[in-house]
Amino acid sequence: AQSVTQLDSHVSVSEGTPVLLRCNYSSSYSPSLFWYVQHPNKGLQLLLKYTSAATLVKGINGFEAEFKKSETSFHLTKPSAHMSDAAEYFCVVSRVSGGYNKLIFGAGTRLAVHP
Amino acid sequence: GAGVSQSPSNKVTEKGKDVELRCDPISGHTALYWYRQRLGQGLEFLIYFQGNSAPDKSGLPSDRFSAERTGESVSTLTIQRTQQEDSAVYLCASSFTTSGGFSSYNEQFFGPGTRLTVL
Repeated sequence: AQSVTQLDSHVSVSEGTPVLLRCNYSSSYSPSLFWYVQHPNKGLQLLLKYTSAATLVKGINGFEAEFKKSETSFHLTKPSAHMSDAAEYFCVVSRVSGGYNKLIFGAGTRLAVHP
Repeated sequence: GAGVSQSPSNKVTEKGKDVELRCDPISGHTALYWYRQRLGQGLEFLIYFQGNSAPDKSGLPSDRFSAERTGESVSTLTIQRTQQEDSAVYLCASSFTTSGGFSSYNEQFFGPGTRLTVL
């Protein structure tokens, strides 16, 4: 069965410093993996997705994630945090079940960015 | 419309009352999904529609929860005899389906959610 574990419920960084949000997955076969971001009072937005092409995936707003099969990880990074990055981030694994794309969400990591 | 819309944005109700939550998917999206997000938690899958049929209702937590969809458009999620543990944000998403079958790469586009508070 597929699942994801987000290792940190809260991460706090200073503006201009690197961001690392950690995610480990469990999947019985090659997974599709996603990171979504949820800003306060806004809908979920897809940041990036991994679908068995390049292992380093670039997303919007300068975020990227690297798929590491040996470590079953899909950590999200950004070289330099911006105040507008403060939000909730969800790591998601997808499996095709009954002919459709079922998304399984991690519990989320709240990112705080301080001046 | 440009995106998935949901109404109302906020709903406060008394324990025991019924509520209806509405979702308008992106035009042309045949797949529609409902999720529940409790405070401080990730999203829980509730139900999936392909057109107006629901092949997977496995996430509905009890028989107080039901959902329907009119063709490939609006969907309503109904919660009967609401309980305090039903308080959550209810999110709707929609996606395309590829011809000849489904792809695990189809992106789900999410609405802003309905925040339900049961007093």
